Amino acid sequence: DQQVKQNSPSLSVQEGRISILNCDYTNSMFDYFLWYKKYPAEGPTFLISISSIKDKNEDGRFTVFLNKSAKHLSLHIVPSQPGDSAVYFCAASPNNAGNMLTFGGGTRLMVKP
Amino acid sequence: DTGVSQDPRHKITKRGQNVTFRCDPISEHNRLYWYRQTLGQGPEFLTYFQNEAQLEKSRLLSDRFSAERPKGSFSTLEIQRTEQGDSAMYLCASRKRTNEQFFGPGTRLTVL
Repeated sequence: DQQVKQNSPSLSVQEGRISILNCDYTNSMFDYFLWYKKYPAEGPTFLISISSIKDKNEDGRFTVFLNKSAKHLSLHIVPSQPGDSAVYFCAASPNNAGNMLTFGGGTRLMVKP
Repeated sequence: DTGVSQDPRHKITKRGQNVTFRCDPISEHNRLYWYRQTLGQGPEFLTYFQNEAQLEKSRLLSDRFSAERPKGSFSTLEIQRTEQGDSAMYLCASRKRTNEQFFGPGTRLTVL
């Protein structure tokens, strides 16, 4: 039972354009959502997060949108740069003491120069 | 702050051998997590410590797996009688008060 899904395994975007990565979840107990970026042979690097009380959070070129009714979130990267090429994971956390993360399967983003 | 560190970065072992991995979290991070990632998948939660107490264990953590955090600082993850299915990247993460977990570089285990 996959509670967090990233349905696009890969995405290719031209440098300077917008990258939109999508994520769907099923568990209504999730109330905090995070995006991580991962390069090969490295651990995931935290990018941006959003609490369920918000519908948008912005940090520089990265914006995360949350649609609670649709149980959907997306990460927008504008403008995309070749250095953004990596695997992106969305993760969700319930509001409990443990806050362990449930990850999606990842989307490989390729930004072409 | 130095980041989360893990040792070793790579481990190759033969089936049936025991292996132990170490994680040093960011200092003052009282919560420490272990995850496992296999090829093409996202990380999966294994276990979680608050200070030295192990508070949660996943069903993925079979009897062959044990984790400790004896003084509330570094943690070890031991796998006994390794099997080929244990081959994966083992990731450690830590956090303080906010929900963001910060990951180490991982230990890649290959069981032959």
